[in-house]
Amino acid sequence: DAGVTQSPTHLIKTRGQQVTLRCSPKSGHDTVSWYQQALGQGPQFIFQYYEEEERQRGNFPDRFSGHQFPNYSSELNVNALLLGDSALYLCASSSVGLYGYTFGSGTRLTVV
Amino acid sequence: GESVGLHLPTLSVQEGDNSIINCAYSNSASDYFIWYKQESGKGPQFIIDIRSNMDKRQGQRVTVLLNKTVKHLSLQIAATQPGDSAVYFCAEKGGGADGLTFGKGTHLIIQP
Repeated sequence: DAGVTQSPTHLIKTRGQQVTLRCSPKSGHDTVSWYQQALGQGPQFIFQYYEEEERQRGNFPDRFSGHQFPNYSSELNVNALLLGDSALYLCASSSVGLYGYTFGSGTRLTVV
Repeated sequence: GESVGLHLPTLSVQEGDNSIINCAYSNSASDYFIWYKQESGKGPQFIIDIRSNMDKRQGQRVTVLLNKTVKHLSLQIAATQPGDSAVYFCAEKGGGADGLTFGKGTHLIIQP
């Protein structure tokens, strides 16, 4: 039973560029959440997707956007990258109405 | 704003001893709490969870205690092993919120 898979594992981008990160949820899960984890910090909630719509959003600017596909997989897009966007981006999947979140190993984004 | 915080950033224990990691939370509406273990280069791994209608829950070698009166959560690890070395995060989910709120983490170091 595959867990949460994220791609790519590492990425280097230049300031001002755009990036797309991908996530496939655990089998049986229909909800995907994205988190940003800066070095030495706990993960920060970006937003959650269910039924291809954004349900709730954390304190992140509109440069951060997402999408969920009919097969429940999801993308996180970040526009106009800043140096401060360098972080580990984590995807977590769950089933709506149920407790329990499974995290992927993350995508390490470095902005130079 | 509401936050989840940890009392100690680093905890060093002898192999075989019991470890206790503490966490304070401030959102009285939180109804679900989770402890995660995160090893270097990996995503958070679920350890144990507890809902607000409980005050204690046990797993394999781990116990979570919840004191709602003082808004305190703790993780007890029995007979600590070298493989327990990691950063431990507590996370809480407030009523109506979709995302988890994480603390900064406690780095557990096991000494031989």
